[in-house]
Amino acid sequence: GENVEQHPSTLSVQEGDSAVIKCTYSDSASNYFPWYKQELGKGPQLIIDIRSNVGEKKDQRIAVTLNKTAKHFSLHITETQPEDSAVYFCAASRAANNLFFGTGTRLTVIP
Amino acid sequence: DGGITQSPKYLFRKEGQNVTLSCEQNLNHDAMYWYRQDPGQGLRLIYYSQIVNDFQKGDIAEGYSVSREKKESFPLTVTSAQKNPTAFYLCASSIGLAGGPAFFGPGTRLTVL
Repeated sequence: GENVEQHPSTLSVQEGDSAVIKCTYSDSASNYFPWYKQELGKGPQLIIDIRSNVGEKKDQRIAVTLNKTAKHFSLHITETQPEDSAVYFCAASRAANNLFFGTGTRLTVIP
Repeated sequence: DGGITQSPKYLFRKEGQNVTLSCEQNLNHDAMYWYRQDPGQGLRLIYYSQIVNDFQKGDIAEGYSVSREKKESFPLTVTSAQKNPTAFYLCASSIGLAGGPAFFGPGTRLTVL
């Protein structure tokens, strides 16, 4: 099955700086890569996703890049704000009914 | 407001007892999912349902059961056969399976005493 690795496990940045979270996957047939944000005591929230026919996708301060050859994808958050502090999960799948999740990155934005 | 509700937020169970976790959505979504979250691990799929009266096992279905009698409801029963049931359980939904789980509920934390 698919194996998704996520790095780093914790990340601290100063407010206004950029944050980058990286994930690798093992199944070359995976074609759907969502990112979720989970705030304390809440369920994850889908924040952005990308499919394998696209190399990059942006939504305001958030962007995701995908390198199919290297089998890795990354989440980029620019101009970070304290409300960006949360745990972020990447996921990958060839069928959306069975996503394989990374182990999460705890992002702390220091005011 | 549209969304997913899970109840209760915290649940305590004695060993050997079955317990049912509730999940209700008013988003008119066809697909619903149950995930388990353990500390330091990613979410793992227990069961999913694409449509009423249909559901499929995920990666860790052993010791769990579900039903989908109504579109808006997808209850999960944790049976006594589940060896390590203490975890955070998350219900999710999406319009269809193609997009994956788009909305998650707030979760139920189950503790077995």
